[in-house]
Amino acid sequence: AQSVTQLDSQVPVFEEAPVELRCNYSSSVSVYLFWYVQYPNQGLQLLLKYLSGSTLVKGINGFEAEFNKSQTSFHLRKPSVHISDTAEYFCAVINTGGFKTIFGAGTRLFVKA
Amino acid sequence: GAVVSQHPSWVICKSGTSVKIECRSLDFQATTMFWYRQFPKQSLMLMATSNEGSKATYEQGVEKDKFLINHASLTLSTLTVTSAHPEDSSFYICSAKLGGGETQYFGPGTRLLVL
Repeated sequence: AQSVTQLDSQVPVFEEAPVELRCNYSSSVSVYLFWYVQYPNQGLQLLLKYLSGSTLVKGINGFEAEFNKSQTSFHLRKPSVHISDTAEYFCAVINTGGFKTIFGAGTRLFVKA
Repeated sequence: GAVVSQHPSWVICKSGTSVKIECRSLDFQATTMFWYRQFPKQSLMLMATSNEGSKATYEQGVEKDKFLINHASLTLSTLTVTSAHPEDSSFYICSAKLGGGETQYFGPGTRLLVL
């Protein structure tokens, strides 16, 4: 079985500062990893995903994430955040032969002016 | 591409009535759709997995007679909350997978308020 841990429930940061949202997973088999963003009263939007290949994955809105197999992590980063990045961010994992996606508890990113 | 819609986006109903929520994949055929429930400030809780033309698979603790799921075509799945009660008030989100792909595409969600 897989599990996902998002280490921070809330991350406040000033506009134009860099940010890292942390995600660790556990699985006994190979996995695919995802980051989703959810704005208030909306569904989830895919930011980026890691399936295979390069461990550094670039997504939409200037976000990127790095897959680290030895540390079982998939942290999300952005070098300079905007007010509009304020949202809930979910890390998710599915095993490569699996069917059900497991979501982390979410991290609320709050960007202050 | 890969757009999923939900209707309605908001619904308010009286206790005891039934509410139907539609989930449509607009530009692709979805052999599998998922229904989630999300409580305020919490993550998504998978309720059931819906495969076109077959019965839905419900997660443990989800009442199948309470939450009726129908996946009649490759572009439409419906969730009916039967005899709704205030504790059913929540944000319901559907998602769809393209063929045997690994990525889910999410609908915008439906907020249900039962009075």
